[in-house]
Amino acid sequence: GAGVSQSPSNKVTEKGKDVELRCDPISGHTALYWYRQRLGQGLEFLIYFQGNSAPDKSGLPSDRFSAERTGESVSTLTIQRTQQEDSAVYLCASMTGPSYNEQFFGPGTRLTVL
Amino acid sequence: GQSLEQPSEVTAVEGAIVQINCTYQTSGFYGLSWYQQHDGGAPTFLSYNALDGLEETGRFSSFLSRSDSYGYLLLQELQMKDSASYFCALKGGGATNKLIFGTGTLLAVQP
Repeated sequence: GAGVSQSPSNKVTEKGKDVELRCDPISGHTALYWYRQRLGQGLEFLIYFQGNSAPDKSGLPSDRFSAERTGESVSTLTIQRTQQEDSAVYLCASMTGPSYNEQFFGPGTRLTVL
Repeated sequence: GQSLEQPSEVTAVEGAIVQINCTYQTSGFYGLSWYQQHDGGAPTFLSYNALDGLEETGRFSSFLSRSDSYGYLLLQELQMKDSASYFCALKGGGATNKLIFGTGTLLAVQP
């Protein structure tokens, strides 16, 4: 079946511009996560959605970052007024539900801020 | 907060056994996961330990000791394709199911 998909695969933008990243989770997966991975580093948790519950936004690094998810479908991560330090790969993952353990990752969006 | 530490790099030869350690600090968690990530690729799930002890999945085994705040991933019969980064991750803690990832270990398998 289809896995997690993300778009765009690559995004180059100028400092100060806004960007929107999209994640399509595996159908039926109620849990959705966003992570940031800087070059050569580990994955940094950003935000977690579980069904219709209030999202866990504890990992968002600043108020320039926001994310939305409608129900159990597509999620978008928006970065406003991008800075060079926002350059990274943004990974999305989905999971069947909170009692499961395996997260399925998408291929990521590589964001480069010039 | 939560933090996990791993060795940055490990080198081993094809056919050998290698152990990748993970030490953590946390006030509470549900379990410890391991993920593999090839260069430029997406992380893929390897194993999960909810309880202390050893979990075996083919050539890979994972171990957890809550009393020692320690876990490890054991890879047997190493193959060249095992060259990748390996991450441990704590699941949950508090009211969330988020994963907090370790710093990652780059495994280089040499012929």
